[in-house]
Order: sequence, then C-alpha cells, then structure tokens
Amino acid sequence: GAVVSQHPSRVICKSGTSVKIECRSLDFQATTMFWYRQFPKQSLMLMATSNEGSKATYEQGVEKDKFLINHASLTLSTLTVTSAHPEDSSFYICSARGTGGSEAFFGQGTRLTVV
Amino acid sequence: EDQVTQSPEALRLQEGESSSLNCSYTVSGLRGLFWYRQDPGKGPEFLFTLYSAGEEKEKERLKATLTKKESFLHITAPKPEDSATYLCAVRPYGGSQGNLIFGKGTKLSVKP
Repeated sequence: GAVVSQHPSRVICKSGTSVKIECRSLDFQATTMFWYRQFPKQSLMLMATSNEGSKATYEQGVEKDKFLINHASLTLSTLTVTSAHPEDSSFYICSARGTGGSEAFFGQGTRLTVV
Repeated sequence: EDQVTQSPEALRLQEGESSSLNCSYTVSGLRGLFWYRQDPGKGPEFLFTLYSAGEEKEKERLKATLTKKESFLHITAPKPEDSATYLCAVRPYGGSQGNLIFGKGTKLSVKP
C-alpha cells in the first residue's frame, strides 16, 4: 500500500506554546488529506479535511484558529496546534487519499503531551 | 445519521481458535467499507475495502465479508502477532469530501 509519513511520533510541549505536525505522502500525490484525533478506547474523530491549495474544512466544534492546517503541496500537509493546553493532549493521526483513489492511508500518528 | 458499531469491544482467543469480529453500519448510501488494523501507539494499517453486498476479500488468516447491514472479519487459526485493535469504517455517499466514519474498534488478544 501507499506510504504516509507523519512526524514527529511523540512531542512534549509546554502549555501556551505551539506545535507543528507534518504529514507526507511518500509515493503518491495526496489530493485530499484528513486530520483525526483519537482518545483512548475511542474511535478516530475527524477534525478537518484539506485539499491541496485550498482552505481546510473543519468539523463542527473544532476551532480553526487553534488547529491550523496547511496543505501547500500534493505531498505535504501540516497541523499546527497553537497555544496548546493540557486538554489538547491526545493522539493525532493524518491520512491521505490520492486522485481517484478509494482507500485512505494513515500516518503513524503523533502523541502530543502538553505539560 | 451515519453510524458504525463494532462488536465485541474486546476479544480474547487462544492461538488457533478461529472467530469473527462484527461491524454493523447504517448509512444513507455505502460507497465503501474498510477494515484497518491498529497497533498500540500507531496509525491504522489498511487491510481491506469492500464495496457491495456479497463481496469477500482475503489476506493470510483474515477474511472480510459484507452484507447490506454488516461486515464480518473472520480470523482463522489466529497467531499472537494478530493481536491488535481492528477498526471498521464506512465511506458514505455525499460525505465530507470522502471522509470515513469509524467504529470504536475491537481489541483482539491472541494468547499462545
């Protein structure tokens, strides 16, 4: 299957700082990328959908100004958690789908801990 | 409302003991049903896509089947390395740019 690389895999940051998470499709062009958040023993919850070159579409209840998403190229999307707080601590996962593709392939996930 | 329910929540098997995981779904129109495997602290790994009732797909010890209301993931003679959480997801027609709706998963533990 296609490879999606997410970096970093773990990050610890201080409350009030910002953290950037990168998601790259390594062997295909990702026209659409998705960002999810996963709490323990819960399903993946979609945060936002981004298409290359356009603004991301956020799900209801997700703060656009707090979770900044950029999809500047067909192989890279970034999620920036701004002014992070302990309640933002979670497992963040990206996925990517290529042009005409049906399956979405996932990155390895990023464990964010805000202290 | 589109919804995915997986059962059981957790399943413990002895090595070699075959079983099935269930995924029940309600969608306005099914564009695809997906099975993923997720190991602790990792992102989901794609296993199968099913598109229409009656379709079956196999990969090693796993076999996925689909009806109009549910999907089963059959595990034949499982091994300890099959231990993971198995996620089911649906892609409905008209969804948010092709977003997947996930169930909470079934955590499978296979003891030697």
